[in-house]
Amino acid sequence: QLQLQESGPRLVKPSETLSLTCTVSGGSIGRSSYYWAWIRQSPGKGLEWIGTIFSSGSAYYNPSLKSRVTISVDTSKNQFSLRLNSVTAADTAVYYCAREETRTRELDQWGQGTRVTVSS
Amino acid sequence: QSVLTQSPSVSGAPGQRVTISCTGSSSNIGAGYDVHWYQLLPGTAPKLLIYGSKNRPSGVPDRFSGSKSGTSASLAINGLQAEDEADYFCQSYDTSLGGFVVFGGGTKLTVL
Repeated sequence: QLQLQESGPRLVKPSETLSLTCTVSGGSIGRSSYYWAWIRQSPGKGLEWIGTIFSSGSAYYNPSLKSRVTISVDTSKNQFSLRLNSVTAADTAVYYCAREETRTRELDQWGQGTRVTVSS
Repeated sequence: QSVLTQSPSVSGAPGQRVTISCTGSSSNIGAGYDVHWYQLLPGTAPKLLIYGSKNRPSGVPDRFSGSKSGTSASLAINGLQAEDEADYFCQSYDTSLGGFVVFGGGTKLTVL
């Protein structure tokens, strides 16, 4: 049974960098039939896709966040990570990592999510 | 402002049928991209309900069904149960701006 678990600081100061890691267990992140994604949900708002990375290391991002986001993968640790710089209160959200099917692009397995607050 | 449009809320009595719509455009649903549906319960991970516009993952009751036509898609829930009260989101892929994953704004289902 595949499991994903987000980890990282729950509180980040404005203008600093938010860093989260997703650890995948029960399956290999290097498997080519899947991509790996980050999604967030701000308080009272809907889901927002942040970006997706392939096991090769290539990534693509939400155009509205592209200038501040970097997603990376470490296949040796079966992990992928999110970095979002220059954060503001608007980046306060529950952050989820998920597995994305390569052909039809659904997000079929999700982590439980981690709440990150941006505040001084 | 979400790329895919959903009604903010819908409600129904136990046993009834409700439908949740998701409207896109020619650069996403209308371009032939699949629509997927997720159920969000408070404090839990989002759950994939429908993929490929009409397919149910293993374990999802057949009370849930999906369809797609033109630039829109729908999620139908038959035999409404109290446990169905949740937020529902549609998702697709958009080819504008280089291509990216898009979500609807979500629909809150209330079971009366």
